[in-house]
Amino acid sequence: EVQLVQSGAEVKKPGESLKISCKGSGYSFTSYWIGWVRQMPGKGLEWMGIIYPGDSDTRYSPSFQGQVTISADKSISTAYLQWSSLKASDTAMYYCARPQLERLRADAFDIWGQGTMVTVSS
Amino acid sequence: EIVLTQSPGTLSLSPGERATLSCRASQSVSSSYLAWYQQKPGQAPRLLIYGASSRATGIPDRFSGSGSGTDFTLTISRLEPEDFAVYYCQQYGSSPETFGQGTKVEIK
Repeated sequence: EVQLVQSGAEVKKPGESLKISCKGSGYSFTSYWIGWVRQMPGKGLEWMGIIYPGDSDTRYSPSFQGQVTISADKSISTAYLQWSSLKASDTAMYYCARPQLERLRADAFDIWGQGTMVTVSS
Repeated sequence: EIVLTQSPGTLSLSPGERATLSCRASQSVSSSYLAWYQQKPGQAPRLLIYGASSRATGIPDRFSGSGSGTDFTLTISRLEPEDFAVYYCQQYGSSPETFGQGTKVEIK
């Protein structure tokens, strides 16, 4: 079964760092882009960025460029989203998602992780 | 960046009725790279339609997508109880990819 399994919920304080993960299984991890999507409480979906684990080619939305870092470790089929200094406004559900077709970045996401809730509060 | 505007914000309908959801883009979406997703409370989004009009695997044929350029529509021909949810459009033809703000389909 093709699936993306994300790490568990996190509660952090402002200024702390964080790295959340998304592990792919059931497919060739290095052949598919993986994207990250933010959903703030009660709000809509926001595309953050995307990475190709095969060569670590990464693209960011201008809204998130410099605010987060997307990476991947193909040896363990895992993608990451990290913050160096969290803010209260980073409180949100974060989803990883995979496009339908291998090697194609411009594609709809048909496989989604279950989401990781990040809460940032003093 | 392409801005997607969905309307209406909320659609109040009864089971068995037809739902028509609109997604308008601020500029033309290349190659009709437009998708629709359904999201229920506490769940991840689910892909319904890609390429503006192709149904994703396992999606019932009561869901259909149409449109091109800047105007796109998702139609649910006869609402089933499980269809009451929030629907998002997404364009993936231009970077950064963007989502609409969503349309909530609620039970009247």
